[in-house]
Amino acid sequence: DQQVKQNSPSLSVQEGRISILNCDYTNSMFDYFLWYKKYPAEGPTFLISISSIKDKNEDGRFTVFLNKSAKHLSLHIVPSQPGDSAVYFCAATNFGNEKLTFGTGTRLTIIP
Amino acid sequence: NAGVTQTPKFQVLKTGQSMTLQCAQDMNHNSMYWYRQDPGMGLRLIYYSASEGTTDKGEVPNGYNVSRLNKREFSLRLESAAPSQTSVYFCASSIGRVGNQPQHFGDGTRLSIL
Repeated sequence: DQQVKQNSPSLSVQEGRISILNCDYTNSMFDYFLWYKKYPAEGPTFLISISSIKDKNEDGRFTVFLNKSAKHLSLHIVPSQPGDSAVYFCAATNFGNEKLTFGTGTRLTIIP
Repeated sequence: NAGVTQTPKFQVLKTGQSMTLQCAQDMNHNSMYWYRQDPGMGLRLIYYSASEGTTDKGEVPNGYNVSRLNKREFSLRLESAAPSQTSVYFCASSIGRVGNQPQHFGDGTRLSIL
């Protein structure tokens, strides 16, 4: 039972355009969400997070949007750069919990 | 600042062999975690340790044991390796519970079991 779903295994975007990565979740108890970025042969690195008390959180070129009624979140990257090419994982948890539930990842390729 | 260090980076085992994966962090973090990553499955939590001296099961603990040796080190042991345990294993640490600080990951151990 996949509680966190990333339905697009891959995405290609032109350099300079907006990249939108999507994530859906089924567990209504989740109230804290994170995005991680992973390069080949490296561990995931934290990118940005959002609490369920917000519907948007922004950090530089990265913005995460949360739609609680739809149980959906998205990561926007503007403008996209070649260094953004990586696998992006969505993760969810209850705030204060030790356990993260990860999605299966989306491979983003930025085309120069 | 090394962060989270995992050893070895690669290992090939035969079915039935035992092995311990090592993880150490130098960030004075309280919590440590072991995950496995399989194609199409994302990262799944095997075990975690909220503090020195405590360990708890995650989503997929069967076939594994862990030891929180001290605050810095958290090891994962396969007592009798099986081909289904072929995976990439990631260790992570955080200062506390999720939400206060994110988890920091090591670069992984690629384990193949023949």
